[in-house]
Amino acid sequence: QITLKESGPTLVEPTQTLTLTCTFSGFSLSTTAVGVGWIRQPPGKALEWLALIYWNDDKRYSPSLKSRLTITKDTSKNQVVLTMTNMDPVDTATYYCVHRHTHTNDFWGQGTLVTVSS
Amino acid sequence: QSALTQPPSASGSPGQSVTISCTGTSSDVGGYDYVSWYQQHPGKGPKLMIYEVSKRPSGVPDRFSGSKSGNTASLTVSGLQAEDEADYYCSSYAGSNNHVVFGGGTKLTVL
Repeated sequence: QITLKESGPTLVEPTQTLTLTCTFSGFSLSTTAVGVGWIRQPPGKALEWLALIYWNDDKRYSPSLKSRLTITKDTSKNQVVLTMTNMDPVDTATYYCVHRHTHTNDFWGQGTLVTVSS
Repeated sequence: QSALTQPPSASGSPGQSVTISCTGTSSDVGGYDYVSWYQQHPGKGPKLMIYEVSKRPSGVPDRFSGSKSGNTASLTVSGLQAEDEADYYCSSYAGSNNHVVFGGGTKLTVL
């Protein structure tokens, strides 16, 4: 049974760096073709893909946010960490962690709402 | 502005069928058979309903089906039920650079 859970601050101030952790179970990020990614959804708006990291440490980023994002993995802890620099109120959103296999985001975490405000 | 284009809304009466379109380009929808559809109820996270254009995960009713023609993918919900009322998002693999793209979402209303 695959589960993922996001954790991190619920409130960050503008210009700060956001660090989110995805803790997962039911699979290994050392298994071929498996990836873990991040997707966000501003209130009332559409889903937006942010970043992905694969079993072989291949990393992919949204071209529009690439300069602000870093994704890393700790296979031994079953965790993936996303950092986003220079946060702005427009970055207020629910951030989801997802399991990815064969180009499909098949399992999603419950999401965590991050508000950017001073 | 989302990379994939979906109609903002769709509707149908119980028992009817409704089809939601998702239009991209030859660099995403048209170039790969990796289109997914997600259902999202208010206040909940997305749920995978269709993957690889037309495959259904275990547990998804066969009332949900997917197809693709050229740069446009479609999700059809047959025998509409009240519980199908939700937002639906399409997504496609878009190659090694853009990688993942989403549609803007379609709000499905069961009349």
